[in-house]
Amino acid sequence: GAVVSQHPSWVICKSGTSVKIECRSLDFQATTMFWYRQFPKQSLMLMATSNEGSKATYEQGVEKDKFLINHASLTLSTLTVTSAHPEDSSFYICSAPKQEDTEAFFGQGTRLTVV
Amino acid sequence: TQLLEQSPQFLSIQEGENLTVYCNSSSVFSSLQWYRQEPGEGPVLLVTVVTGGEVKKLKRLTFQFGDARKDSSLHITAAQPGDTGLYLCAGGNNDMRFGAGTRLTVKP
Repeated sequence: GAVVSQHPSWVICKSGTSVKIECRSLDFQATTMFWYRQFPKQSLMLMATSNEGSKATYEQGVEKDKFLINHASLTLSTLTVTSAHPEDSSFYICSAPKQEDTEAFFGQGTRLTVV
Repeated sequence: TQLLEQSPQFLSIQEGENLTVYCNSSSVFSSLQWYRQEPGEGPVLLVTVVTGGEVKKLKRLTFQFGDARKDSSLHITAAQPGDTGLYLCAGGNNDMRFGAGTRLTVKP
Protein backbone atom coordinates (compact mmCIF):
# COMPACT_ATOMS: atom_id res chain seq x y z
CA GLY A 1 0.00 0.00 0.00
CA ALA A 2 0.91 3.65 -0.24
CA VAL A 3 3.00 5.20 2.48
CA VAL A 4 2.45 8.45 4.27
CA SER A 5 5.10 9.55 6.72
CA GLN A 6 4.40 11.99 9.51
CA HIS A 7 7.06 13.67 11.61
CA PRO A 8 7.65 14.08 14.47
CA SER A 9 5.79 11.24 16.15
CA TRP A 10 5.73 13.14 19.41
CA VAL A 11 6.74 16.59 20.59
CA ILE A 12 6.67 18.48 23.86
CA CYS A 13 6.77 22.24 23.70
CA LYS A 14 6.35 25.21 26.00
CA SER A 15 3.27 27.42 25.94
CA GLY A 16 3.61 30.23 23.46
CA THR A 17 5.97 28.45 21.11
CA SER A 18 5.17 27.11 17.65
CA VAL A 19 5.39 23.53 16.46
CA LYS A 20 5.60 22.29 12.88
CA ILE A 21 4.34 18.86 11.85
CA GLU A 22 5.25 17.40 8.48
CA CYS A 23 3.25 14.98 6.38
CA ARG A 24 4.89 13.37 3.37
CA SER A 25 3.55 11.02 0.75
CA LEU A 26 6.52 8.79 0.03
CA ASP A 27 5.55 6.89 -3.09
CA PHE A 28 2.77 8.91 -4.68
CA GLN A 29 1.79 12.49 -5.33
CA ALA A 30 -0.95 14.01 -3.23
CA THR A 31 -2.68 17.14 -4.42
CA THR A 32 -4.86 16.96 -1.32
CA MET A 33 -4.04 16.08 2.25
CA PHE A 34 -6.26 16.08 5.29
CA TRP A 35 -5.36 17.13 8.81
CA TYR A 36 -7.19 15.71 11.81
CA ARG A 37 -7.10 16.19 15.54
CA GLN A 38 -8.00 13.42 17.93
CA PHE A 39 -8.58 13.87 21.64
CA PRO A 40 -8.33 10.89 23.99
CA LYS A 41 -11.06 8.30 23.50
CA GLN A 42 -12.62 10.31 20.70
CA SER A 43 -12.76 9.98 16.96
CA LEU A 44 -10.81 11.95 14.39
CA MET A 45 -12.10 15.43 13.72
CA LEU A 46 -11.26 16.97 10.37
CA MET A 47 -9.46 20.27 10.88
CA ALA A 48 -8.62 21.27 7.36
CA THR A 49 -8.06 20.13 3.82
CA SER A 50 -4.66 21.01 2.44
CA ASN A 51 -4.50 21.77 -1.28
CA GLU A 52 -1.24 21.83 -3.21
CA GLY A 53 -0.55 25.27 -4.58
CA SER A 54 -3.56 26.95 -3.02
CA LYS A 55 -5.00 27.89 0.33
CA ALA A 56 -6.17 25.27 2.74
CA THR A 57 -9.85 24.83 3.46
CA TYR A 58 -10.56 24.99 7.18
CA GLU A 59 -13.45 23.42 9.02
CA GLN A 60 -15.79 25.63 10.97
CA GLY A 61 -14.33 26.55 14.34
CA VAL A 62 -10.72 25.91 13.36
CA GLU A 63 -8.60 29.05 13.48
CA LYS A 64 -6.60 29.36 10.30
CA ASP A 65 -4.17 31.83 11.85
CA LYS A 66 -3.42 29.43 14.66
CA PHE A 67 -3.14 26.27 12.60
CA LEU A 68 -1.08 27.27 9.58
CA ILE A 69 -1.11 24.82 6.72
CA ASN A 70 1.32 24.86 3.82
CA HIS A 71 1.16 22.43 0.91
CA ALA A 72 4.05 23.64 -1.21
CA SER A 73 4.73 20.43 -3.12
CA LEU A 74 2.88 17.34 -4.27
CA THR A 75 4.47 15.25 -1.54
CA LEU A 76 4.60 17.52 1.48
CA SER A 77 2.08 19.30 3.66
CA THR A 78 2.92 20.97 6.94
CA LEU A 79 0.77 21.98 9.89
CA THR A 80 2.18 24.63 12.22
CA VAL A 81 0.53 25.11 15.57
CA THR A 82 1.35 28.70 16.46
CA SER A 83 1.47 30.11 19.97
CA ALA A 84 0.61 26.72 21.37
CA HIS A 85 -1.39 26.41 24.58
CA PRO A 86 -2.01 23.38 26.78
CA GLU A 87 -5.49 22.97 25.29
CA ASP A 88 -3.82 22.37 21.91
CA SER A 89 -2.34 19.17 23.32
CA SER A 90 -3.73 16.38 21.19
CA PHE A 91 -2.98 13.69 18.65
CA TYR A 92 -2.65 15.19 15.18
CA ILE A 93 -2.93 12.92 12.14
CA CYS A 94 -2.59 13.58 8.45
CA SER A 95 -3.86 11.55 5.55
CA ALA A 96 -3.56 11.62 1.80
CA PRO A 97 -5.72 9.97 -0.83
CA LYS A 98 -3.99 8.55 -3.88
CA GLN A 99 -6.88 9.43 -6.12
CA GLU A 100 -10.18 11.18 -5.69
CA ASP A 101 -12.84 9.24 -3.85
CA THR A 102 -10.68 6.36 -2.82
CA GLU A 103 -9.32 5.45 0.53
CA ALA A 104 -6.80 7.68 2.20
CA PHE A 105 -3.52 6.60 3.71
CA PHE A 106 -2.64 7.86 7.14
CA GLY A 107 0.49 9.07 8.79
CA GLN A 108 1.57 7.63 12.09
CA GLY A 109 0.26 10.64 13.98
CA THR A 110 1.95 13.25 16.14
CA ARG A 111 1.36 13.41 19.87
CA LEU A 112 1.67 17.09 20.85
CA THR A 113 1.98 18.01 24.50
CA VAL A 114 2.10 21.68 25.41
CA VAL A 115 3.39 22.42 28.88
CA THR B 1 -19.94 18.45 12.23
CA GLN B 2 -19.92 14.70 11.85
CA LEU B 3 -21.95 13.52 8.93
CA LEU B 4 -21.62 9.89 9.90
CA GLU B 5 -23.48 8.49 12.89
CA GLN B 6 -21.75 5.43 14.20
CA SER B 7 -23.20 3.05 16.77
CA PRO B 8 -22.68 1.70 19.28
CA GLN B 9 -19.87 3.86 20.59
CA PHE B 10 -18.79 1.28 23.15
CA LEU B 11 -19.15 -2.46 23.03
CA SER B 12 -17.82 -5.04 25.44
CA ILE B 13 -18.40 -8.69 24.62
CA GLN B 14 -17.08 -12.15 25.40
CA GLU B 15 -14.81 -14.07 23.09
CA GLY B 16 -16.80 -16.04 20.55
CA GLU B 17 -19.76 -13.67 20.36
CA ASN B 18 -20.89 -11.90 17.20
CA LEU B 19 -21.35 -8.16 16.85
CA THR B 20 -22.46 -5.55 14.36
CA VAL B 21 -21.40 -1.93 14.13
CA TYR B 22 -23.50 0.54 12.17
CA CYS B 23 -22.58 3.66 10.27
CA ASN B 24 -25.44 5.85 9.06
CA SER B 25 -25.75 9.14 7.24
CA SER B 26 -28.31 11.27 5.50
CA SER B 27 -25.77 11.91 2.77
CA VAL B 28 -24.94 9.73 -0.19
CA PHE B 29 -21.30 8.72 -0.46
CA SER B 30 -19.41 7.53 -3.48
CA SER B 31 -17.55 5.21 -1.12
CA LEU B 32 -17.23 4.42 2.55
CA GLN B 33 -14.19 3.15 4.35
CA TRP B 34 -13.78 1.19 7.55
CA TYR B 35 -10.66 1.64 9.62
CA ARG B 36 -9.24 0.16 12.78
CA GLN B 37 -7.07 2.24 15.05
CA GLU B 38 -4.72 1.16 17.81
CA PRO B 39 -3.79 3.61 20.60
CA GLY B 40 -1.12 6.08 19.55
CA GLU B 41 -1.22 5.08 15.90
CA GLY B 42 -2.92 6.25 12.76
CA PRO B 43 -6.00 4.38 11.45
CA VAL B 44 -5.38 1.36 9.27
CA LEU B 45 -7.72 0.72 6.39
CA LEU B 46 -9.80 -2.46 6.58
CA VAL B 47 -11.99 -2.10 3.51
CA THR B 48 -13.54 0.29 1.03
CA VAL B 49 -17.09 -0.25 -0.20
CA VAL B 50 -18.12 1.46 -3.38
CA THR B 51 -21.22 -0.15 -4.89
CA GLY B 52 -24.67 0.09 -3.30
CA GLY B 53 -25.61 -3.26 -1.80
CA GLU B 54 -22.02 -4.45 -1.90
CA VAL B 55 -20.86 -7.05 0.61
CA LYS B 56 -17.18 -7.63 1.30
CA LYS B 57 -15.66 -10.24 3.56
CA LEU B 58 -12.32 -10.10 5.29
CA LYS B 59 -11.88 -13.34 7.23
CA ARG B 60 -14.37 -13.01 10.13
CA LEU B 61 -15.33 -9.46 9.18
CA THR B 62 -18.24 -8.76 6.83
CA PHE B 63 -18.82 -5.29 5.49
CA GLN B 64 -22.00 -4.15 3.78
CA PHE B 65 -22.81 -0.95 1.92
CA GLY B 66 -26.45 0.08 1.86
CA ASP B 67 -28.35 0.10 -1.42
CA ALA B 68 -28.69 3.87 -1.25
CA ARG B 69 -25.00 4.29 -0.32
CA LYS B 70 -25.93 6.19 2.84
CA ASP B 71 -25.10 3.56 5.41
CA SER B 72 -22.79 0.68 6.08
CA SER B 73 -22.31 -2.06 8.63
CA LEU B 74 -19.45 -4.12 9.97
CA HIS B 75 -20.22 -7.57 11.33
CA ILE B 76 -17.65 -9.59 13.23
CA THR B 77 -18.23 -13.29 13.70
CA ALA B 78 -16.81 -15.17 16.66
CA ALA B 79 -14.94 -12.17 18.04
CA GLN B 80 -11.49 -12.71 19.49
CA PRO B 81 -9.50 -10.64 22.00
CA GLY B 82 -7.26 -9.58 19.14
CA ASP B 83 -10.24 -7.77 17.61
CA THR B 84 -10.18 -5.27 20.46
CA GLY B 85 -9.71 -1.75 19.17
CA LEU B 86 -11.35 1.38 17.82
CA TYR B 87 -13.33 0.87 14.62
CA LEU B 88 -14.05 3.89 12.50
CA CYS B 89 -16.18 4.41 9.44
CA ALA B 90 -15.26 7.24 7.13
CA GLY B 91 -16.58 8.81 4.00
CA GLY B 92 -16.85 12.05 2.19
CA ASN B 93 -17.28 13.90 -1.01
CA ASN B 94 -14.02 15.73 -1.74
CA ASP B 95 -13.01 15.22 1.89
CA MET B 96 -12.94 12.42 4.44
CA ARG B 97 -14.87 12.55 7.70
CA PHE B 98 -15.13 10.00 10.41
CA GLY B 99 -17.89 8.59 12.51
CA ALA B 100 -17.57 8.82 16.28
CA GLY B 101 -15.99 5.38 16.38
CA THR B 102 -16.84 2.14 18.14
CA ARG B 103 -14.54 1.09 20.92
CA LEU B 104 -14.70 -2.69 20.99
CA THR B 105 -13.42 -4.79 23.87
CA VAL B 106 -13.43 -8.55 23.50
CA LYS B 107 -12.86 -10.35 26.79
CA PRO B 108 -11.22 -13.77 26.82
